[in-house]
Amino acid sequence: IAGITQAPTSQILAAGRRMTLRCTQDMRHNAMYWYRQDLGLGLRLIHYSNTAGTTGKGEVPDGYSVSRANTDDFPLTLASAVPSQTSVYFCASSRDGGQPQHFGDGTRLSIL
Amino acid sequence: AQSVTQPDIHITVSEGASLELRCNYSYGATPYLFWYVQSPGQGLQLLLKYFSGDTLVQGIKGFEAEFKRSQSSFNLRKPSVHWSDAAEYFCAVGGNSGGYQKVTFGTGTKLQVIP
Repeated sequence: IAGITQAPTSQILAAGRRMTLRCTQDMRHNAMYWYRQDLGLGLRLIHYSNTAGTTGKGEVPDGYSVSRANTDDFPLTLASAVPSQTSVYFCASSRDGGQPQHFGDGTRLSIL
Repeated sequence: AQSVTQPDIHITVSEGASLELRCNYSYGATPYLFWYVQSPGQGLQLLLKYFSGDTLVQGIKGFEAEFKRSQSSFNLRKPSVHWSDAAEYFCAVGGNSGGYQKVTFGTGTKLQVIP
């Protein structure tokens, strides 16, 4: 079934460690997004990519980096994790930009 | 700045009853408006969207929403709720913001369906 695959499903991480969340889509969508979901705050955009080779900052980019080497993959890296980055992270895509159309099932990340 | 308010954190309805979830937005121009649904442990699914034209929008799973500019609202409705509709619902407003379409999500309304 076509869609978005995120890995890992969940992770507990010590503060200060480096972590990469993986996201792969098989729909050949141009645009991809990373959101974090926190209770009472809804979803907030971390980074986005309108097409392979380009990325941009969303609402809450500090402490995160992304790359878009090809159409299918859009990894999110926490260079040095902090407890405030404890959250559920969702990768999403859309065919040509605009609102996100498809979401992965999320990665639940706990930073201790 | 654009924003979305979903005033109801939690709503309980009986199966077969009608449903209306409230959404109010703030946006300077004509907004793009969306409703998403999230089942436990899953990502969000787009239910419907409004860009322009007819203010009554039909979506998937029997849902509809009505854009009312005068009230800055985009309420989601369903005439008869099914147990499988129990989930969390997010309203969102979108607009262009320097290179990408900024979509701002509300904080969600959790729907419980009782027999």
